[in-house]
Amino acid sequence: GQNIDQPTEMTATEGAIVQINCTYQTSGFNGLFWYQQHAGEAPTFLSYNVLDGLEEKGRFSSFLSRSKGYSYLLLKELQMKDSASYLCAVRDSNYQLIWGAGTKLIIKP
Amino acid sequence: DVKVTQSSRYLVKRTGEKVFLECVQDMDHENMFWYRQDPGLGLRLIYFSYDVKMKEKGDIPEGYSVSREKKERFSLILESASTNQTSMYLCATKGGGEVTGELFFGEGSRLTVL
Repeated sequence: GQNIDQPTEMTATEGAIVQINCTYQTSGFNGLFWYQQHAGEAPTFLSYNVLDGLEEKGRFSSFLSRSKGYSYLLLKELQMKDSASYLCAVRDSNYQLIWGAGTKLIIKP
Repeated sequence: DVKVTQSSRYLVKRTGEKVFLECVQDMDHENMFWYRQDPGLGLRLIYFSYDVKMKEKGDIPEGYSVSREKKERFSLILESASTNQTSMYLCATKGGGEVTGELFFGEGSRLTVL
């Protein structure tokens, strides 16, 4: 079966760096997405990786290793507003999205 | 900016009632999706549509139907609501021909079935 694994919850301190991991086992691979979802709000697109390596976008970076079925989202200089759930999703060979359950990130002052 | 609007943020219905959830988008996107989101589970696809009057079953279509009479509007219908359909329902859209193909989501409709 197809599976996406990510930690349920993480805690970090304001100003620090946090890495949220995502491992996947899917039927084929056509890209990996990270979305941010604040409590009670819509998920919003953060990043897309289809080739191995690091994609940097301001304070957020996303890494992909296709051979390992692994990605991480790196958040630097954490701010209180980064408290949210982070959803990992993989597009499979049929171009369908498989979603992880999300990682709830708690930022403490 | 893409705007995806869901008609109701919160609904409370009784078992057996018919429920309509409406979604409207203003960016002329071809593809529209209905997901449900439950604690501890990833988003699960109920139905999607890639064109007017076209619909495809997702992973969990049982107990649901959809309607897409106009490009901008995609409706989710629960013919006879049951308590196990208590959930957050998310509508999403996607344009065609884009490299990344990211989804744009509505704010969600939280449905409680008593």
